[in-house]
Amino acid sequence: QLQESGPGLVKPSETLSLTCTVSGASISSVPYYWGWVRQPPGEGLEWLGSIYHSGTTFYTPSLKSRLNISVDTSKNQFSLQLKSVTAADTALYSCARHRMSLRSPFDPWGQGIFVTVSS
Amino acid sequence: DIVLTQSPGTLSLSPGERATLSCRASQSVRNNFLAWYQQKPGQAPRLLISGASNRASGIPDRFSGSGSGTDFTLTISRLEPEDFAVFFCQQYGDTPFTFGPGTKVDI
Repeated sequence: QLQESGPGLVKPSETLSLTCTVSGASISSVPYYWGWVRQPPGEGLEWLGSIYHSGTTFYTPSLKSRLNISVDTSKNQFSLQLKSVTAADTALYSCARHRMSLRSPFDPWGQGIFVTVSS
Repeated sequence: DIVLTQSPGTLSLSPGERATLSCRASQSVRNNFLAWYQQKPGQAPRLLISGASNRASGIPDRFSGSGSGTDFTLTISRLEPEDFAVFFCQQYGDTPFTFGPGTKVDI
């Protein structure tokens, strides 16, 4: 299971920080990639990036300059940090596990956490 | 980036009917790495199909996927009341991975 946590409200220009806690499996002992996906209100899903337990990351190019995904194997968590947010970053953010390798579908997903960017 | 287009946007059907959903890619999907998900309000997406045609574990056989290259189809042979939801496709062959906008199947 995956569970997102973090603030539901972030001010413009600040950094959005979210954590995904994994239960039922150890991030460091299973050969999976872990990812973040978001969905702005009324829009489609957008893959943000994915990480392996070794720390290897892949990011969507449009956000690469603002996005950092990290992993903490001791806490069985992986995290997302998105810098310099604007209202356009308001979205439902979900973490998910790749089924196997990076090039595999997401299964399962977390429930998601809605983050509003507003002053 | 590979753009995925889904049609129709909304499909209004009744239980027992057949649903045919389309997902078209702007360029060929590598290795037919195309997935279908179902999402109900307030719930996380559920993986239905991977590799264009492989049902995920526990998915009823009324769900089937087909297609290759740029044209893919999800078929629900006989709609059950619990099938009414939003369905979206995703290509995971090339980064950035992309999703279609979704098809809503409602009564």
